[in-house]
Amino acid sequence: GAGVSQTPSNKVTEKGKYVELRCDPISGHTALYWYRQSLGQGPEFLIYFQGTGAADDSGLPNDRFFAVRPEGSVSTLKIQRTERGDSAVYLCASSFGQASYNEQFFGPGTRLTVL
Amino acid sequence: AQSVTQLDSQVPVFEEAPVELRCNYSSSVSVYLFWYVQYPNQGLQLLLKYLSGSTLVKGINGFEAEFNKSQTSFHLRKPSVHISDTAEYFCAVSERGGSNYKLTFGKGTLLTVNP
Repeated sequence: GAGVSQTPSNKVTEKGKYVELRCDPISGHTALYWYRQSLGQGPEFLIYFQGTGAADDSGLPNDRFFAVRPEGSVSTLKIQRTERGDSAVYLCASSFGQASYNEQFFGPGTRLTVL
Repeated sequence: AQSVTQLDSQVPVFEEAPVELRCNYSSSVSVYLFWYVQYPNQGLQLLLKYLSGSTLVKGINGFEAEFNKSQTSFHLRKPSVHISDTAEYFCAVSERGGSNYKLTFGKGTLLTVNP
């Protein structure tokens, strides 16, 4: 079956611009996660959704970052007034049910470059 | 809070040689342990996980890992590697029994298998 998909695969933008990154999770997965992977680092947690609500947004670095999941499926990560330090690969993952032992299935990521 | 340390950023080995990728973690609460693999231009894929029971866990592609509670380690091993095992490997933990399902990752170990 289809895995987690993310669009676009690459995004180049200029400092100060607004960007939206989209994640389409595996059908039926109620949990959705966003992570950010900077060069030479492991993925770092940003936000976790259970259904439509953000259950944990403690990883969002500042108020320029926002994410939504209005219908409990597709999610959009929104970054305002982008900065060069926002350049990274943004990963989305989904899992079935509510448990920290459930496997998270990852998408291929969106590589964001802020010039 | 949890943290994960992967002691080797790069591990070069020859084909058919054994390999061990080291992972140590720190946590104030009990955790579940995971190893993920990231092949070039692909998303993260679960190799194996430790939830409870036997401390030796077998995963896909001939990999296994051993949980050592006293040393807070979860090292990944394979007795004989193939060229196709060349990838980046990430150790991760999640909080056991809590409401926070996020994964905390190490920085990764790049395994390069040479002919």
